[in-house]
Amino acid sequence: GAVVSQHPSWVICKSGTSVKIECRSLDFQATTMFWYRQFPKQSLMLMATSNEGSKATYEQGVEKDKFLINHASLTLSTLTVTSAHPEDSSFYICSARNTGELFFGEGSRLTVL
Amino acid sequence: GDSVTQMEGPVTLSEEACLTINCTYTATGYPSLFWYVQYPGEGLQLLLKATKADDKGSNKGFEATYRKETTSFHLEKGSVQVSDSAVYFCAQLGRSSYKLIFGSGTRLLVRP
Repeated sequence: GAVVSQHPSWVICKSGTSVKIECRSLDFQATTMFWYRQFPKQSLMLMATSNEGSKATYEQGVEKDKFLINHASLTLSTLTVTSAHPEDSSFYICSARNTGELFFGEGSRLTVL
Repeated sequence: GDSVTQMEGPVTLSEEACLTINCTYTATGYPSLFWYVQYPGEGLQLLLKATKADDKGSNKGFEATYRKETTSFHLEKGSVQVSDSAVYFCAQLGRSSYKLIFGSGTRLLVRP
C-alpha cells in the first residue's frame, strides 16, 4: 500500500522552543493530509486538515498559532509546535488519503522538558 | 455527537486463544466502520472495514460484522498468535464527513 513517513520519530526539546515534524507521502501525491494527536491511553484526536497550497483547517479547540501547519507541496506537510510546553508532550500522527483509503505515518513522539 | 467506544485493555491471551474486542458507535446516519492496528514502533494500518449494515470485514484471520441493530463492530479472531500483539483501534467515518473518529484503542498481548 501507499507509504506515509514522518520525521522525526522521537524528539525531546526544552520548554519554550519550537519543534517541526514532517509528514511525507512517499509514493503518491496528497492534496490533503490530516494531523492527529494521541495522548497516553487515549484515542487519536484530529487536530487539523492540511490543504496543499492553502490554509489548514483546524478543529475546534486547537490553537492555530500554537500548531502551525504548512502544506507546501503535494508530498509534504509540516506541523510546527511553537513555544512548546510540557503539556504539548504527546504522540503526533499524520495521515494522507490515497484512492479513498487513509494511510498513516509512524507517528512522532514529542517530549517537552 | 458521533463517537466510538472500545473495551479497555490490556487484553492478555495465550497463543491460540479466541479473541473478541468490543466496539460500539454512536452516529447520525450509517457510517463506514474500520479496525486499525498499530504494531509496536509502527504507524496505524487498516486491518479491515465495512461500509454498510450486515457487511463483514475480514483480513489476516480477523473478522468484524457491521451490526446496525446493536450499533456494534466487534473484532474477532478464532486463534491469536504472538505476532498479533498490538494496539487495535475501532473507528468510524460519517457519510458526509472527512473526519475519522477513533476509539481509545485496545492493547492486545498474546503470550506464547
